[in-house]
Amino acid sequence: SYELTQPPSVSVSPGQTARITCSGDALSKQYTHWYQQKPGQVPVLVIYKDSERPSGIPERFSGSSSGATVTLTIGGVQAEDEADYYCQSADNSGSYWMFGGGTKLTVL
Amino acid sequence: EVQLVESGGGLVKPGGSLRLSCAASGFTFSKYGMNWVRQAPGKGLEWVSSISRSGGDINYAGSLKGRFTITRDNAKNSLELQMNSLRAEDTAVYFCARGAPPDYYDSSGFDIWGQGTMVTVSS
Repeated sequence: SYELTQPPSVSVSPGQTARITCSGDALSKQYTHWYQQKPGQVPVLVIYKDSERPSGIPERFSGSSSGATVTLTIGGVQAEDEADYYCQSADNSGSYWMFGGGTKLTVL
Repeated sequence: EVQLVESGGGLVKPGGSLRLSCAASGFTFSKYGMNWVRQAPGKGLEWVSSISRSGGDINYAGSLKGRFTITRDNAKNSLELQMNSLRAEDTAVYFCARGAPPDYYDSSGFDIWGQGTMVTVSS
């Protein structure tokens, strides 16, 4: 079955740049969306359509796509960015949504 | 205020049924696709089902097809999930989320989420 693969964890120091990748066979054909989820909270959409940023999301959040890999980049990481991040995309035929396994971002 | 509020969760025995509801407010419900997403304790997000604006286009996660049924009532601004033959592995927080079905290429993700309702399947 189709899978989206994310690294389980990423650690960065405050002010550094965090990059979280998401890999999947259909990502070159389907848009990817990214969510931030802090402990005990509801997921929040931070990037949609690979690189679009919803209103209210800080400019330090950006997204990019290259072939079968998409990347969420958080520039100038702040302590408040510590959270789980999930990528989401559809399979090739558009039959179902998939979420990646999630990446825990730790701000050292 | 744009809002989604889930209800209907609770404790149910294996093999039992439960019907979840999601009440929408603050936006024109009939103009948006809707989804159910679940999250088992300590685990990641898992998409459950999507329904189009009119209700004519429905998708399910493969593992759930046949046991879960998604419906919507645009006149009442409500979304529902009927869950049958429940198993221990269905234990999770169930979120409703606003967003297009997977076959809508122009989807902009799930931009509004409810707070979730907990479903526990245990004897």
